[in-house]
Amino acid sequence: EEQLVESGGGLVQPGGSLRLSCAASGFTFRSYEMNWVRQAPGRGLEWLLYIHSGDGTTSHADSVKGRFSISRDNAENSLFLQMNSLRAEDTAIYYCARVRWGGHMDVWGKGTTVIVSS
Amino acid sequence: DIQMTQSPSTLSASVGDRVTITCRASQSIDRYLAWYQQKPGKAPKVLIYQASSLESGVPSRFSGSGSGTEFTLTISSLQPDDFAIYYCQYYYPYFWVFGQGTKVEVK
Repeated sequence: EEQLVESGGGLVQPGGSLRLSCAASGFTFRSYEMNWVRQAPGRGLEWLLYIHSGDGTTSHADSVKGRFSISRDNAENSLFLQMNSLRAEDTAIYYCARVRWGGHMDVWGKGTTVIVSS
Repeated sequence: DIQMTQSPSTLSASVGDRVTITCRASQSIDRYLAWYQQKPGKAPKVLIYQASSLESGVPSRFSGSGSGTEFTLTISSLQPDDFAIYYCQYYYPYFWVFGQGTKVEVK
């Protein structure tokens, strides 16, 4: 079964940092581009960051520019989201998702919750 | 930046109804348009990609159409399992934009 499992969420103070992980299984992780998407409580979906399967190309939404970064370890079948300078408005469920040609996301994790609060 | 606007925000319908959700782009876009269904406490699930292609395993009562600035998701006969929130999503290299969502609720 193709699966993504996020981890690393939790409660963090404003200004703090957190690193999320996404473990992939059931498919050839190194062959796929990946995204991070989040959903604030009661809100819609927001795309955050993208990473290419192997050439290191990344992109990001303006809302996380300079604060969040994406990386991957293809040998460990893992995707990462480094979040710095966290704000209350970063409180959300964070999903990793597999990207297919044409941009749709066909495999999603169940998400990990990040709460930014003092 | 391209903005995606869904309508309506909420749709009240009954089982068996034909349901149509619209996603409008702020400018003409190509067909890299996807539709997702999300149920409470669950991750989104892709239904339609490239505007009109049905994702494997998705019931055929779901269909997508459109071009230019207007795209639609149609559920031909609403089933009890279809009450959920639906999102459109546009992709242009390498950025993604989601619509704000449409909640399909019981009438």
